[in-house]
Amino acid sequence: RKEVEQDPGPFNVPEGATVAFNCTYSNSASQSFFWYRQDCRKEPKLLMSVYSSGNEDGRFTAQLNRASQYISLLIRDSKLSDSATYLCVVNDYKLSFGAGTTVTVRA
Amino acid sequence: ETGVTQSPTHLIKTRGQQVTLRCSSQSGHNTVSWYQQALGQGPQFIFQYYREEENGRGNFPPRFSGLQFPNYSSELNVNALELDDSALYLCASSSARGASGGFTEQFFGPGTRLTVL
Repeated sequence: RKEVEQDPGPFNVPEGATVAFNCTYSNSASQSFFWYRQDCRKEPKLLMSVYSSGNEDGRFTAQLNRASQYISLLIRDSKLSDSATYLCVVNDYKLSFGAGTTVTVRA
Repeated sequence: ETGVTQSPTHLIKTRGQQVTLRCSSQSGHNTVSWYQQALGQGPQFIFQYYREEENGRGNFPPRFSGLQFPNYSSELNVNALELDDSALYLCASSSARGASGGFTEQFFGPGTRLTVL
């Protein structure tokens, strides 16, 4: 079983739509989680950390379900600039990445 | 910009050759991690260096080796290149948290795109 598994998408949504996707992780002892964003042929950049109580950063909401070992990301009011690959990451001193979920926001 | 730099940006090699990739960490960071990202995949952890010592390794063969220097910059060396080594190689710098354990957020460099023919 892979350490981190993600819904690969792609998600193709119109501007203004809400899009949500999940990932699951295998190590029940993992404590630290992130969502990274990666644009085509660029390096990953931290989008947001994921906290147990759930957290928001503007239009982005991250949730963690420890019992089921899954993490979610929800994007509200999608913008064209949100088009990217979103990487689910578990931090156990090293970063374990999912394969990414591709989101395309169309005009 | 993260302050993490990598060189070269692109590289083309042939099977069997050796390659050295370089990474300069962000000022104040003492830890460098290396990742391999194949096309369509997420980055895969190769190894991490902390204060010039290897501090963990992923599932990569011994022909992948590294160094960290006193100024915390780092090199990734790959011997006997194979076609499957073609990928984007990313380094990320961070700092140890000291007594509380763990490491701070990792900041990625722009990567080196290696093509093996």
